[in-house]
Amino acid sequence: AQKVTQAQTEISVVEKEDVTLDCVYETRDTTYYLFWYKQPPSGELVFLIRRNSFDEQNEISGRYSWNFQKSTSSFNFTITASQVVDSAVYFCALRMNRDDKIIFGKGTRLHILP
Amino acid sequence: DVKVTQSSRYLVKRTGEKVFLECVQDMDHENMFWYRQDPGLGLRLIYFSYDVKMKEKGDIPEGYSVSREKKERFSLILESASTNQTSMYLCASTPGGGSHRELFFGEGSRLTVL
Repeated sequence: AQKVTQAQTEISVVEKEDVTLDCVYETRDTTYYLFWYKQPPSGELVFLIRRNSFDEQNEISGRYSWNFQKSTSSFNFTITASQVVDSAVYFCALRMNRDDKIIFGKGTRLHILP
Repeated sequence: DVKVTQSSRYLVKRTGEKVFLECVQDMDHENMFWYRQDPGLGLRLIYFSYDVKMKEKGDIPEGYSVSREKKERFSLILESASTNQTSMYLCASTPGGGSHRELFFGEGSRLTVL
């Protein structure tokens, strides 16, 4: 069965600290896609990144970086020098190649304290 | 600007009423999804559709049905609303054809069943 686990329900850090959000997934498929979304207090889900299972290269986008490790079935998200505007709920999601079903983790609520 | 539009941002209904939640996308996407979002439970897939008149059950289809008569429109139906269906409902779409792109979300419909 496919599953996405975000073990951290809620995290609070002080502004300018670095923070890592964990995502562990389960799938028997060899081809799949992983995503991160941000849901700010306004409620609309914002797409952040997509990674396919054949591309383990880490990615950096400004203060955001992602670490994909197939050996541990993890796709972790790090925010460097956090800012108050990063406060949101962050979701990790998994999409299989063989169908178009997309499943989400339960999300991590991130509080950046000024 | 591409868009997924949900017909109602807020609805209040009574137990036993029939409820229609409408979703329209203007991106010519093949795939459309309905999720519900509840605190601590993340996004849970109710139904999805690959194409017109096609539908697949997600993880929590009980108490719901869907309709996709046109490619751009995907409706979620609660035949007889119950209080445990009070939730935020999110519609999303994504291209098909093996693109495995990210989901594009609507703004959500918050349903309260009294």
